[in-house]
Amino acid sequence: DTAVSQTPKYLVTQMGNDKSIKCEQNLGHDTMYWYKQDSKKFLKIMFSYNNKELIINETVPNRFSPKSPDKAHLNLHINSLELGDSAVYFCASSQELSYQETQYFGPGTRLLVL
Amino acid sequence: GDSVTQMEGPVTLSEEAFLTINCTYTATGYPSLFWYVQYPGEGLQLLLKATKADDKGSNKGFEATYRKETTSFHLEKGSVQVSDSAVYFCALRDTGANSKLTFGKGITLSVRP
Repeated sequence: DTAVSQTPKYLVTQMGNDKSIKCEQNLGHDTMYWYKQDSKKFLKIMFSYNNKELIINETVPNRFSPKSPDKAHLNLHINSLELGDSAVYFCASSQELSYQETQYFGPGTRLLVL
Repeated sequence: GDSVTQMEGPVTLSEEAFLTINCTYTATGYPSLFWYVQYPGEGLQLLLKATKADDKGSNKGFEATYRKETTSFHLEKGSVQVSDSAVYFCALRDTGANSKLTFGKGITLSVRP
């Protein structure tokens, strides 16, 4: 029973291409997130959604566009991929927005832009 | 703004050694504090958390106490195992509206047999 799942697990693509990463959670949570982990393992939030509404947008380039078709899904579309977009992208979810809530992370999508 | 500072790594220990990983934080409110662990090739898992001062979080032999006076949340384990080898992240989430989870840089722990 996978709680938070992401597809694909690996993504290798050329500069300039457009790609999407999908995320689904089966925990019944209201809030979902996208994080970026760079090559030094540093983690930074990109977006958060609560009940399909955008809550946090952390100065991410416009080339990144999250979409939440329903509470269980939060997809990430990236236009015109650049070398610097190479990273591991993690989706996460939590029951609600509360600062006390535990976030549950997916396995990550390893993106390599050539 | 909020920040989390972790001790520099990596850390290499022998099995059954005592582990301490230091974590201090800066926050404007009264945050919740977390330790997450990332095993090789996997996502992050919550290891333990504390949501108010003097709370102690514990799990799998790991412990950390929320110390407001020293703004610290150090992680300890009395006897590490090879299976504890992973990257450990300290994190906080402040009480403000729409607050976000802020991570430290992470520290890699290697435990040798």
